[in-house]
Formats: sequence, C-alpha cells, structure tokens
Amino acid sequence: DAGVIQSPRHEVTEMGQEVTLRCKPISGHNSLFWYRQTMMRGLELLIYFNNNVPIDDSGMPEDRFSAKMPNASFSTLKIQPSEPRDSAVYFCASSLGRVGGAGELFFGEGSRLTVL
Amino acid sequence: AQKITQTQPGMFVQEKEAVTLDCTYDTSDQSYGLFWYKQPSSGEMIFLIYQGSYDEQNATEGRYSLNFQKARKSANLVISASQLGDSAMYFCAMREPGGSYIPTFGRGTSLIVHP
Repeated sequence: DAGVIQSPRHEVTEMGQEVTLRCKPISGHNSLFWYRQTMMRGLELLIYFNNNVPIDDSGMPEDRFSAKMPNASFSTLKIQPSEPRDSAVYFCASSLGRVGGAGELFFGEGSRLTVL
Repeated sequence: AQKITQTQPGMFVQEKEAVTLDCTYDTSDQSYGLFWYKQPSSGEMIFLIYQGSYDEQNATEGRYSLNFQKARKSANLVISASQLGDSAMYFCAMREPGGSYIPTFGRGTSLIVHP
C-alpha cells in the first residue's frame, strides 16, 4: 500500500518566491497534519485537518502561510512570500482513529525547503 | 509546561546490548495514546510502537517494547539486541482528548550504536 506521498522532496528557492508543498495522505485516513522540523525548534505542528476541515491552525507562523485540503486525498501548504527563516523540512502525516483513542501518524518523507 | 519530556539528548550503546530511552508525559486525561517514532539520518519518521492508556500489557513490536508505568507517567522505549541500523533520533509522542488529539512530540533522543 502507498504511504503518505509528499512533493517536492527538495525545493530551493529565492526569498520572496511562492512555495507550494503537496501531500497525498493514505487512503481512508481521516486526519492530516502538517509539521515543520528545524534543529532549533524541533517538530512543530503547523495545522491539523480532520475530515478535510481545518481544526487547529494556531501553529501557522503568520499570514504568509496557508494550507488547504480540498478533498480527502490532497492537501497543500503554501508559503507566499517565502523568507530564509522558512528553511526547514516540512512533513505531512495522516492518521486514522483507533478504538478508544487516536491512531498513530504515518509520515511522508518530507519536503526539504531552502530559501536563499 | 511540556507535555512530553525526553531528558536524554544523546545515548550510546554497544551493538547487541539493550538500551532504554526515557519519556515522561503530562496529561489529566484518563484515555490517551503514547507513541514512539524513529528518524534515521535519511530523515523519514517511522512509527515504531503504540501504547494505549487502558492497555494492561506493555506494548511490544519485535525488538521494541514500551515500559509503561502509568502512575509515574512514563513510557520508556526499550530496544533489545541493538543493531547498527538502530542509530537514529527517537521521538516520544502523545495524543489526548484534552489536546484535541493533536499529537505532541518530545525533543527527541539521539541514539548511537557502536560496533
């Protein structure tokens, strides 16, 4: 079975440019998460969707960041305009509920973003 | 207050030995889930093991086991018979209804397995 698929795997761009990261969750999973990982701040949750609806976007750094989930099989994270401090690895993860609680997250391979 | 605390930034173990990675958590919920993930140098996050708060038995998955001590709020990962390929970052995480089931991750522990 296919896991969580992210694209692009690597992105190098210049400050001010728009960046769009894409994610295809595991079929049947009802929750989707976008995380950002840096050495300084570790793994930070940016936004959480449940059944395609954004539940918590308090981790989105600022208005330059936006995320959408138009259907159950696709999500995007957009940064416009990008800045050097946005350089990080961005992970998408999906999960399905377990009986009595929430299930484990399955992560994509990540998108490594470098903003020059 | 931190929800997940991993106090060991780095650990070293000899190949074939067992190693315990510490994790303590903070929650007021009765029902919650605890998870461990492995992140090798290649960068992907790999799910290892899950423990539900109502599970009476400690979870095991091959060489991985979770030493769950509910009263102490600890969920330590035990890796038996370490292999060189176990060298990686290890993250402890929790999902709780009080946190809207939003996963909270610790800062991780770096494990290096020596030959």
